[in-house]
Amino acid sequence: DSGVTQTPKHLITATGQRVTLRCSPRSGDLSVYWYQQSLDQGLQFLIQYYNGEERAKGNILERFSAQQFPDLHSELNLSSLELGDSALYFCASSVTGSEQYFGPGTRLTVT
Amino acid sequence: QKEVEQDPGPLSVPEGAIVSLNCTYSNSAFQYFMWYRQYSRKGPELLMYTYSSGNKEDGRFTAQVDKSSKYISLFIRDSQPSDSATYLCAMSSNYGGSQGNLIFGKGTKLSVKP
Repeated sequence: DSGVTQTPKHLITATGQRVTLRCSPRSGDLSVYWYQQSLDQGLQFLIQYYNGEERAKGNILERFSAQQFPDLHSELNLSSLELGDSALYFCASSVTGSEQYFGPGTRLTVT
Repeated sequence: QKEVEQDPGPLSVPEGAIVSLNCTYSNSAFQYFMWYRQYSRKGPELLMYTYSSGNKEDGRFTAQVDKSSKYISLFIRDSQPSDSATYLCAMSSNYGGSQGNLIFGKGTKLSVKP
């Protein structure tokens, strides 16, 4: 158990809908990272928050957004969902930035 | 050329074998190198973390980094069926709480047969 929690575990929704994924980092970790894992692209970095502020952006679509709250939990919002958004979404947390600990993931299926 | 290349396998070995997993990379700015193990439908689990070149050993696992060749390896001694998983290499050029997004290889699927 990494100490990072994610909810929900599974999400099934229809195209065009909006969903919110939630992540609670390990106690004391200020950084939260969001990654998307698909069969063809592998694990891809989406966005990073550090102590409530956005710090880095990767391959994140404009339809996706995230935020980190004062209690350090983070939410990833995915809107106007398409079939191709079906993937595993992981969050990770870190103190150092490089040693990142991953949560169990949310499996999103868009039908 | 992708930043990080990793042979996807699958790699099948008998129990007790020594396993060698490798990644190559193109970005000379990478300084932090990690190996993650991922069981099916689970989150990646950090196995080894190495800074710059050199070796690091932890139990049955040894990580090697050769920055001059842009090549990293993970060795697993006395492999067990429970080691069957996908192994992902990851790299970063940044340190500190402010940044550090990881660039991952696509993973090598390992199967250890009893």
